[in-house]
Amino acid sequence: SYELTQPLSVSVALGQTARITCGGNNIGSKNVHWYQQKPGQAPVLVIYRDSNRPSGIPERFSGSNSGNTATLTISRAQAGDEADYYCQVWDSSTARVFGGGTKLTVL
Amino acid sequence: EVQLVESGGGLVKPGGSLRLSCAASGFTFSSYSMNWVRQAPGKGLEWVSSISSSSSYIYYADSVKGRFTISRDNAKNSLYLQMNSLRAEDTAVYYCARDQGYRGVGSGGREYYFDYWGQGTLVTVSS
Repeated sequence: SYELTQPLSVSVALGQTARITCGGNNIGSKNVHWYQQKPGQAPVLVIYRDSNRPSGIPERFSGSNSGNTATLTISRAQAGDEADYYCQVWDSSTARVFGGGTKLTVL
Repeated sequence: EVQLVESGGGLVKPGGSLRLSCAASGFTFSSYSMNWVRQAPGKGLEWVSSISSSSSYIYYADSVKGRFTISRDNAKNSLYLQMNSLRAEDTAVYYCARDQGYRGVGSGGREYYFDYWGQGTLVTVSS
């Protein structure tokens, strides 16, 4: 089965750039999707198909994917960006696969 | 506006059963495949089951196969999850999520991500 690896936590200073990684074997050959989940709330899609933003998601959120690592980048981090972030891919054998999640702290 | 509203959660004893419902509105429900995704307390997201738009294709995670049954009623814009033989490890918030499909670059086949989620319903399995 296909596995996705995320760091448990990432910290970023207010106004700086946060990068959250998602590792997987040749993940660059797959499309990666990212979800934001704030405490007590449902997940929200923030990036789909590697680098596309749904309507309503700020331009500060961007994504990239190459080789064995996909990255969610949050520019000019705000206190409101504090949340858990999950990557997800579609795998032919496992179907819908989630990473373990990364807790983003804005200092 | 797309809305997904789950209901039916609660406290149930090990070995018991529960049926979850998800009421959909704001989109043509019969045109989309749907999913259940769960999240155990303090843990990450786990995909549970999916059903195609016409119920022709149904899939389950290994952890629930043989115990859970997903179904839908397109006339009622509703998605269901019948959960039997419940275990303590099934304790979680259960989310209803809509599938958004696209053609995969690598596979060339149909792939999916979750574009809308409900607020979830809590299922607690405990004696």
